[in-house]
Amino acid sequence: AQSVTQPDIHITVSEGASLELRCNYSYGATPYLFWYVQSPGQGLQLLLKYFSGDTLVQGIKGFEAEFKRSQSSFNLRKPSVHWSDAAEYFCAVGAGTGGFKTIFGAGTRLFVKA
Amino acid sequence: ETGVTQTPRHLVMGMTNKKSLKCEQHLGHNAMYWYKQSAKKPLELMFVYNFKEQTENNSVPSRFSPECPNSSHLFLHLHTLQPEDSALYLCASSRTGAEEQFFGPGTRLTVL
Repeated sequence: AQSVTQPDIHITVSEGASLELRCNYSYGATPYLFWYVQSPGQGLQLLLKYFSGDTLVQGIKGFEAEFKRSQSSFNLRKPSVHWSDAAEYFCAVGAGTGGFKTIFGAGTRLFVKA
Repeated sequence: ETGVTQTPRHLVMGMTNKKSLKCEQHLGHNAMYWYKQSAKKPLELMFVYNFKEQTENNSVPSRFSPECPNSSHLFLHLHTLQPEDSALYLCASSRTGAEEQFFGPGTRLTVL
């Protein structure tokens, strides 16, 4: 069965610093991979996705993520964090034949300090 | 209006009340989802509909009853809820079951 692990419950970074949020997945084949962001009181918004092809994917708001098959990882990065990036970030894995299912990680809360 | 909308945004109900949550998507998608999001817990998938047919019921108690009259609308009927059912209920849709999901803003439900 597929699963998603986000090892960091929360992370604090200074504004302007770089960011990396970790995501590890478990699935036998190449899954579909997603990162979503959720601001307080809002629904989730897709940041980026990986289905196939180039393993480095670019998303909205200056985010990127790299799929590393050997490490079963799909870490999210941003070179310079803005205060408005403070939110909760969810990694998700979609996979399955005869019944596609998307599994979400538990989320990582990002705090940005001035 | 575009995207996925949910009404009401906030709902307070007693344990004996009956209420319904509504979700509408204007994206032409064929799959719709209900999720429950509680504090300090992962996002929980409740129900999935594909082309109006329910394809997933994730062991949800019968006090939650979904309805999907067409591909654009999804309801969650609530009755005799418990205080632990208080949560943010999110609706989402996707073009097919294998693609990214678009989420509504959620309904914040409080059960007294």
